[in-house]
Amino acid sequence: GENVEQHPSTLSVQEGDSAVIKCTYSDSASNYFPWYKQELGKGPQLIIDIRSNVGEKKDQRIAVTLNKTAKHFSLHITETQPEDSAVYFCAAHSPRRNNRLAFGKGNQVVVIP
Amino acid sequence: SAVISQKPSRDICQRGTSLTIQCQVDSQVTMMFWYRQQPGQSLTLIATANQGSEATYESGFVIDKFPISRPNLTFSTLTVSNMSPEDSSIYLCSVGGTGTGGTQYFGPGTRLLVL
Repeated sequence: GENVEQHPSTLSVQEGDSAVIKCTYSDSASNYFPWYKQELGKGPQLIIDIRSNVGEKKDQRIAVTLNKTAKHFSLHITETQPEDSAVYFCAAHSPRRNNRLAFGKGNQVVVIP
Repeated sequence: SAVISQKPSRDICQRGTSLTIQCQVDSQVTMMFWYRQQPGQSLTLIATANQGSEATYESGFVIDKFPISRPNLTFSTLTVSNMSPEDSSIYLCSVGGTGTGGTQYFGPGTRLLVL
């Protein structure tokens, strides 16, 4: 089955700096890669996603890049703000998994004011 | 995206009892899923709730422990049966469509503590 690994497990950044979280996946057939943000006491919120026919996607301060050859994708947050502090989960979808997502273990991002 | 609500939002239960969690969506959806998130951990899929038929369970999860109903395209329930402290977790429902290529949206979760 799909194996999704997420690095680093925790990340502390100064407010205003950039944060980058990287995920690797194992199934070469994976074709969809969402990122979720989970704040304390809430459910995961989809913040950005990318499909395998695209190399990069941006939405304001958030961007995702995909390297299909190396089988990794990354979340980039620029000009970080305290409200960006949360746990971020990456996931991968493969047609072989019948619409089920494989999740990474999560990354705790702390933005220091 | 769909608006998803869950009831209850949290509960404290006694060992050996059962709790039924409800998931309501504001629009018809093809796929509904139930996840468990143990404290400080990632999301683990329990089962896919199938409308009009038995749920499809993932390895390690069985119907006797986690019976699921899905009477229509907007509603599902998950029951956690004969609970033990190890069942203390956040239980999340999510929705997606066969046409969304994997996109799933999550409800707010049900925080369960078993004493």
